[in-house]
Formats: sequence, structure tokens, C-alpha cells
Amino acid sequence: GESVGLHLPTLSVQEGDNSIINCAYSNSASDYFIWYKQESGKGPQFIIDIRSNMDKRQGQRVTVLLNKTVKHLSLQIAATQPGDSAVYFCAEVPTGANSKLTFGKGITLSVRP
Amino acid sequence: DTAVSQTPKYLVTQMGNDKSIKCEQNLGHDTMYWYKQDSKKFLKIMFSYNNKELIINETVPNRFSPKSPDKAHLNLHINSLELGDSAVYFCASSRRLAFQETQYFGPGTRLLVL
Repeated sequence: GESVGLHLPTLSVQEGDNSIINCAYSNSASDYFIWYKQESGKGPQFIIDIRSNMDKRQGQRVTVLLNKTVKHLSLQIAATQPGDSAVYFCAEVPTGANSKLTFGKGITLSVRP
Repeated sequence: DTAVSQTPKYLVTQMGNDKSIKCEQNLGHDTMYWYKQDSKKFLKIMFSYNNKELIINETVPNRFSPKSPDKAHLNLHINSLELGDSAVYFCASSRRLAFQETQYFGPGTRLLVL
């Protein structure tokens, strides 16, 4: 069946370095993609989104890249900080699915001081 | 001021019991959701409601019954709790039922069934 997944379960980076979190999706009919951050003991928090008609979108210290050809989504975090340590999820919304988010497996980002 | 709140935060109970989790949002949103997060952190939607009307029911067992008394509340009642129901349950809301609307999540209810 269709699925959204992440390549690596954990990522460890040095404080100040850039982080890249990758996500592969298999539903080519998805219109919309979102990255969520979940800190320990809290609910997921929206970071950034991208529509399927775009290939790049930038926010504050974060950039999302979408490669529809290979069905790949990535989240880049510039100058990673200790507060970025969390579990990150990519999610997709297939065409016509209204607000039904399909989440991928989470990846843990650990920032070394 | 908490935008999406859930009670209780922790819930420990015996198998076979019936329990309820409450959710309230003060954002004025039309749409609310329940998600289940398992021990591997996998998040899956269970239900969504729009203006108190059930929109999504993701083949959740009948033991789970959501109730939306008004737009600001979506409660989840679980009958005959089973070990496999142990998980973190998240409530969320969005301004309206549209794919591009950001979903705001509550802090979660950690349910442990013994």
C-alpha cells in the first residue's frame, strides 16, 4: 500500500552544523506535504509545508525541498541548535483527502553541544 | 493560554475498564481530530469531526466512540480497554476542513492499560 517513510531512524549533529532530514513517500497523488516537530512529552508542532506545485520553500532557518520525480522530501535546518533536538515527522495529504494527514515514521534529531 | 488542551495527561487503568479523554480547543476552529501514537512513535489518524459532524473514521474498533458536543470539544470514550490500546492519544484542530490548513496538536494523553 501507499506509505510515507523516513530513511534513518536517528540523526546526530554537532551544534551549529546544518541538519538534513530525509523522507521518501510513495503516493504520487499527494498534493501537500508537511514537516512536524515533536519535542519530548509534547504534541507535534507544525514547522513548514510545501505544495506539490513547488520544489522548495524556505522558512526561518528551515528549508523544505520536494523532488516529485523520486518522491523525496527533505527538511534542512541551518545552524542546528540544542532546541532543535526532537522527533521529526513528514506527512502528506493525498489528493481529495481533505485534512487526512498520513504521517511517516519519526526520525530523532540529537544535537551534540 | 493553551490552544488545544487534553485531560487527563496520564491515564493508567485495568483491562476491561471504560475511560474517556477530553479535548478542548479555544482557537475557534471548525475541525477536530484524534490521533493515536504507538510505542514506535507512529502517528495515525483515528477520527475527524467538522462542525460536530463525523468526517473520518479510520476503521477504528467500535469500542472507540468520539463525541463532539460542540465545535470546541471532541471527547473520546473507550469501552472495554485492551492492552493494545496503550498509546499516546493526541487531539488536534484546524481552522477548517481543507488539506492546506495547519493542524494544531494538544499535549497528548498517555494511556497505559494493565
